[in-house]
Amino acid sequence: EPEVTQTPSHQVTQMGQEVILRCVPISNHLYFYWYRQILGQKVEFLVSFYNNEISEKSEIFDDQFSVERPDGSNFTLKIRSTKLEDSAMYFCASSDGRETTNEKLFFGSGTQLSVL
Amino acid sequence: GQNIDQPTEMTATEGAIVQINCTYQTSGFNGLFWYQQHAGEAPTFLSYNVLDGLEEKGRFSSFLSRSKGYSYLLLKELQMKDSASYLCAVRDYGQNFVFGPGTRLSVLP
Repeated sequence: EPEVTQTPSHQVTQMGQEVILRCVPISNHLYFYWYRQILGQKVEFLVSFYNNEISEKSEIFDDQFSVERPDGSNFTLKIRSTKLEDSAMYFCASSDGRETTNEKLFFGSGTQLSVL
Repeated sequence: GQNIDQPTEMTATEGAIVQINCTYQTSGFNGLFWYQQHAGEAPTFLSYNVLDGLEEKGRFSSFLSRSKGYSYLLLKELQMKDSASYLCAVRDYGQNFVFGPGTRLSVLP
C-alpha cells in the first residue's frame, strides 16, 4: 500500500534554530497537511496545502511557520526560530481530495521534534 | 468554533465489546472519521461515516447521527492489540480535519 514518508524520524535542535521537516506524500494525492501532537495531547491541525498554496491554516501556524512544495514530490514544514513549546510529534498527511472517495487522511510516521 | 468530545479513558476485557462515544459541534460537517493510534505511532484510519446509520467493517462498526452531533465506534471481540487511543475526527466544509482528544482504551486479559 502506498504510504506517506517523513524524515527525519527524530530531530533535536537548540531554541532559536531553524528546522525543516520533510515529507513525501502519496504520489497521486492532491491535499497535504501538517499536524502536530504534543505528548499526551490531541492531534492539532497546523496547515493544509492544495494546488501549490495554503488552503487553510490554524492559529498555531503563525509567522514562524512556512510550508513549501519545492518539487513534484516533497512537502516541507519550516520552523524559523524554534521555541521550547514547539517540541512535539509532527505528522504529515495527505488525502486523495477527489469526491468519489472517502478522502481519508493518510499519515506519515511522524518527526519527533525536541527543542532544547 | 470547533468542539469534539470523547471520554478520556476506557477499560475493557479481552473478548468483550466496547463502545466509544464522540460528540461534536463544528462549523461544518463533511464526514466523521475514526482513527486508531498506538503509543508513539501515527494515526491509522478505521472508519468513515457521512450519512446517518451504522457502517460495519469486521470487528469494528461506527455509527453516526448528524442531527445529534453524535457518533460511536463499536469494537467487538476485543483483543489485547486493540489497546490504543481512538481518535474521532470531523472534516469540515473544506478539507480540514479536526480531531477530538482521543480515548485511551486498555484491554485487560
